[in-house]
Formats: sequence, structure tokens, C-alpha cells
Amino acid sequence: AQSVTQLDSQVPVFEEAPVELRCNYSSSVSVYLFWYVQYPNQGLQLLLKYLSGSTLVKSINGFEAEFNKSQTSFHLRKPSVHISDTAEYFCAVSNRILTGGGNKLTFGTGTQLKVEL
Amino acid sequence: DGGITQSPKYLFRKEGQNVTLSCEQNLNHDAMYWYRQDPGQGLRLIYYSQIVNDFQKGDIAEGYSVSREKKESFPLTVTSAQKNPTAFYLCASSQGQGTDTQYFGPGTRLTVL
Repeated sequence: AQSVTQLDSQVPVFEEAPVELRCNYSSSVSVYLFWYVQYPNQGLQLLLKYLSGSTLVKSINGFEAEFNKSQTSFHLRKPSVHISDTAEYFCAVSNRILTGGGNKLTFGTGTQLKVEL
Repeated sequence: DGGITQSPKYLFRKEGQNVTLSCEQNLNHDAMYWYRQDPGQGLRLIYYSQIVNDFQKGDIAEGYSVSREKKESFPLTVTSAQKNPTAFYLCASSQGQGTDTQYFGPGTRLTVL
């Protein structure tokens, strides 16, 4: 069975400071990894994903994550955060192709990023 | 605009009543999913459907039922058998291949009084 651990439930950071949100996964087979962001009372939006190839993946708004197979990690980083980055961030892993297609995502418990002035 | 719609945004029901949450997508996606979100627990899969007229149980299907009569619609019924139905419910869809991104609707917050 696969699982995802996000050890930090909350991360406070000052605006323009760097941030790292940690994600570790457990799986015995190859995985696909995702970071989603959720703003209050809204659905989830895909931030970035790793499927194969380059282990460093980037989003359009300055976030990046690196797949580290040996450490089974997929930490999310941003060199300089903005107030608008305040949200909850979920890491998810998938390695199970469902019968007929689709994939089963297993989510972490989320990290609340709070950016302060 | 293409996307996923869920209605209503907020829903209040008395204990013991069944309630149906709507999910519609115009993305022409084959696969659709229902998740439940509770504070501090992340998202958990309730049901999923890969194709019209077919659906499968997820990790926490007890007390829920679904139907998939049309490709674009995947309603979820929360029955009176669900012991703790108050939660935020999210619907998602994907094209249906193993690596496809799941796109989420805005969610329905259900409160059972």
C-alpha cells in the first residue's frame, strides 16, 4: 500500500522569505507525484507533477519540487513567497492504475502555509 | 468555460435524511471521482467511475451511493447509514489514462444537524 506523509501541518513564513514544504511517500513500485493547492472553501488546483524524466519540476508561479527516489521525497520549495501563496498544500502519490483507466491518488494530510508581512 | 461544477456549495440536512450532491463536468472526461475531506485528514476516496454505467468503491464507500447514467454527471448520495456525514465533499474528473491529472470541482460543504 502507498502512503504520503506531510509532517508539517502548519508553516508560517514572512513574505519574500524562502519556504520548503516537506513530503515523503511510501511505495514499493514506481510512483507519480503531485502537489495540489487549496484556497479556503475551494477545490484543489494542480500545482505541479512528476511523472518521469527530469526530477526537478516547476510550476508557473515560482514553485518547484524535486523527486528524490533514494529519500522517497518530493519536497515543494519556493525561493520567495508572496501573501497570495497563503493556502493549504497537499502532496499526493499515485502508482495504481485503476481497472479501465484513471489513477488512485493517495493524499497527505496537508500543510497550511501562512505568509505574513 | 470548461470545468467541473458542484452544487450546492453549502448544504444543511437533518440527521437521518438522505441527501444528494451534484457533480457535472463538461471536460469530456471518462473518469470521475468523489472525495471526502475532513480537517487534518487530507482527502479520502469514496467512489470512482471509469465509464458510464460503471463505478467502483473507494476506501470509504460505506454509507454512500453513486450513479453514472451520463458521462458528464456523477451524483453522490449520502445516506442515513453514514455515521458522520458532516464534511467537505470534492468531485474530480480525469481523462482516464493512468497518469492523467485529476481536476477538482469547488466542493460542497455538508452539515448534518
